[in-house]
Parts: sequence; structure tokens; C-alpha cells
Amino acid sequence: EVQVVDSGGGLVQPGGSLRLSCAASGFTFSGYWMSWVRRAPGKGLEWVANINQDEGEKYYADSVKGRFTISRDNAKNSLYLSMNSLRADDTGVYFCARGPTYYDILTASYYFDSWGQGTLVTVSS
Amino acid sequence: SFDLTQPPSVSVSPGQTASITCSGDKLGNKYACWYLQKPGQSPVLLIYQDKKRPSGIPERFSGSNSGNTATLTISGTQAMDEADYFCQACDSSSVVFGGGTKLTVL
Repeated sequence: EVQVVDSGGGLVQPGGSLRLSCAASGFTFSGYWMSWVRRAPGKGLEWVANINQDEGEKYYADSVKGRFTISRDNAKNSLYLSMNSLRADDTGVYFCARGPTYYDILTASYYFDSWGQGTLVTVSS
Repeated sequence: SFDLTQPPSVSVSPGQTASITCSGDKLGNKYACWYLQKPGQSPVLLIYQDKKRPSGIPERFSGSNSGNTATLTISGTQAMDEADYFCQACDSSSVVFGGGTKLTVL
């Protein structure tokens, strides 16, 4: 059974840092793109970042570019999101999600077929 | 930037057909997908590549995409289908979600 389990959320002050983790099992982790998606209170889903299988391609939403870093460790079947300079509008539930096995800009078929349970990040003083 | 627009809410009677639209510039030239999310739960992929259903998704969920509009159709809507629905597509190297539609089954 495909499983992704998010962790690492918590309460952090504005300007602070946090690192989220995602543990994957039940599939060949190294064969898939992986992503982070968030949902702020009262808002919709917002894509945060994507990473390809060998970390050679990383893409970020404009709202987090330069502050967040996505990474992975295929040996540990794990995905990470390092978040710096956190702001109040970064508050929300963060989901780890599995992407496709193949993606290119021309075909542009990227979808999330398995999701973690979500981990809550609260940025507040 | 590329934007996807959904109606904030749609209402449907049990057993009837619900249609949720998603509009974006030349969206029909891109692949669209759909998710549902219930309160306190993770999103679930309903439709990918415009009209494909992952295993385990009931046949009453179907999708189409043409011109500037993608549509999710739910046939024989059930009370359990009440949820938030999101469309999603890709533009360049970015992933874009629609604002979401709250489906109410009256």
C-alpha cells in the first residue's frame, strides 16, 4: 500500500525556521517526482514546490521562492521542506504528495495521486 | 500568470447530476485534473489527464476539457460527495490550483 506520512509542523515565530519531513513507503520512492502542497485556513490548495527523482530539477511557487528549499533522500525514502523567514501567511496544513514518474514542460501532465495526512504549521508571535 | 477560476459553490439534490467548471486561458491545451477534499482529510485525486479515473474512483465521476473550460461531472450525486473540489493544471514549470468549489448536496 502506498503511504506518505508528513511530520515536523508546529508553532514558530515570524522570521523563524522549520523543517518538514515526509516518509514514503509501499512504492519505489526514487522513481517519482515529489511535491509539497499547502492549505491555509479558509483558503484553497496552494502548490509549494516540486522535486524530480535525482534532485536535478526543483521548482517553487513565487510565494516561497528564496525562502523554502525542497530536498529528498532516496536512500531513506524521505522528502523534506526547509522553511526559513517564515511569515504569518505561511500558516496552514502542509501536505507531502506523490507526483508522476515522468514530467516535462511540453507534456505538462503533473498530478498528485497520493497525499500525506498533513502537518500543521502555525506562524505567530 | 496563469489562473484557474471555479465557482465558489454549487448545490445539487441527491441523485441528480452536478457539474463543476474550471476556467483558464486555453485550458483545453493543457491537462486538467480534479481533487476532492473533505474537512480534516487529505485531498483525493478524482480525475487526471482530463478524463482518466484512478483505480477506486467511482464511475459517477467524469471529466472533460475543451477550449477554456474543464468540467467535472458527478452523476447520481450522493450525500457523501459533499466536499470541496479543486481543479489543477500546469503552466510552464508551475502547478496551479483553482480556488475551489464547495459542493452542497441538499
